[in-house]
Amino acid sequence: QLQLQESGPGLVRPSETLSLTCTVSGGSISSSSYYWAWIRQPPGKGLEWIGTIYYSGTTYYNPSLKSRVTISVDTSENQFSLKLNSVTAADTAVYHCARPRGPTVTTWVFDNWGQGTLVTVSS
Amino acid sequence: DIQMTQSPSSLSASVGDRVTITCRASQSVSNSLSWYQQEPGKAPKLLIYGASTLQSGVPSRFSGGGSGTDFTLSISSLQPEDFATYYCQQSFNAPLTFGGGTRVEIK
Repeated sequence: QLQLQESGPGLVRPSETLSLTCTVSGGSISSSSYYWAWIRQPPGKGLEWIGTIYYSGTTYYNPSLKSRVTISVDTSENQFSLKLNSVTAADTAVYHCARPRGPTVTTWVFDNWGQGTLVTVSS
Repeated sequence: DIQMTQSPSSLSASVGDRVTITCRASQSVSNSLSWYQQEPGKAPKLLIYGASTLQSGVPSRFSGGGSGTDFTLSISSLQPEDFATYYCQQSFNAPLTFGGGTRVEIK
């Protein structure tokens, strides 16, 4: 059974870089059928897609965050990562990693999720 | 970006009630619409994709309908475990966008 687990600091200072890792178990991140994604949810608010990556390194980012976001993959560790720079309090959220059902945008609905990790941006 | 608008933002209902939630897209998304259920402190759970296809393991009391810009999620007979927040999501094109959520509360 596929499992995703987020890890990283729970507190980040304003203007610094948020860094999270998602470890995938029960399946290979290098499967040709799957992409991998980051989604966030500010406390008490709705969901926001951050971006999606293929194991080859091809990425798709939300234009609203594109200038600050980097998603990368480490196939040797079966992990993918998120970096968000120049953070502000507005970036405080629960960050989830997730796997979409298929390889095309129309199949980017998420049937496997990590439990999520709260990242607070505060000095 | 395609804007997704859900209504109502919250509702109160009793066990056994039929409940319907609406999601409207700012432009046609064909049938690229999915629904999620989220309990407090947990990750969203996929219920329906392709507007009307039930995800494996999801009870048949959940159903989805619609196409183009107007979609519905219905729960035929509300159960205690169904009290949660529900989100729609379009996957017609990137950026993927979600509705603002509908909170289903116990009356």
